[in-house]
Amino acid sequence: GAVVSQHPSRVICKSGTSVKIECRSLDFQATTMFWYRQFPKQSLMLMATSNEGSKATYEQGVEKDKFLINHASLTLSTLTVTSAHPEDSSFYICSARRTSGAYNEQFFGPGTRLTVL
Amino acid sequence: AQKITQTQPGMFVQEKEAVTLDCTYDTSDPSYGLFWYKQPSSGEMIFLIYQGSYDQQNATEGRYSLNFQKARKSANLVISASQLGDSAMYFCAMRDNTDKLIFGTGTRLQVFP
Repeated sequence: GAVVSQHPSRVICKSGTSVKIECRSLDFQATTMFWYRQFPKQSLMLMATSNEGSKATYEQGVEKDKFLINHASLTLSTLTVTSAHPEDSSFYICSARRTSGAYNEQFFGPGTRLTVL
Repeated sequence: AQKITQTQPGMFVQEKEAVTLDCTYDTSDPSYGLFWYKQPSSGEMIFLIYQGSYDQQNATEGRYSLNFQKARKSANLVISASQLGDSAMYFCAMRDNTDKLIFGTGTRLQVFP
């Protein structure tokens, strides 16, 4: 299957700092990437849809000024958690949609575990 | 509104036996896709199987098969010949006409020897 990477895999930061998470599709181009958040023992919740060359579309209840998304190229989307607080601690997963795939399926990155102290 | 329901928070199965993980969905769109993903403790989401709403036959991928009952709006995952490595969280998801994936709450499967 297609490969999607995320960096970093784990980050610990102090409250008030900003953290950038990168999502890359390594062997295909992705005009659309998705960012999810997963709390312990819970399901994935879609935060936003990232479109190459245009503004991201945020889900209801997600603060766009807090979770900045940039889809600068067909293989890279970044999520920046600004002024992070302990309640932002979570597992963040990105996915990239491969339009040339059999099912237009989304391929997921390995996730980034963010801990805000 | 679209919704995915997984009513089994946890399931146990003995190695080499088959197990069925339940998934029901609700949508008013005639065109949709149903997915199953496996999430081991490492956190990665692994695509297992896909069923399109217009597919006439149930999807199969190796030991995974999807029991698609459109009238009942159910898309149960059947894992045959369970292996210890199948122990993980399993998520059912539906893709709507905006390409978003809506996930169920997941089922934790534990395979014992």
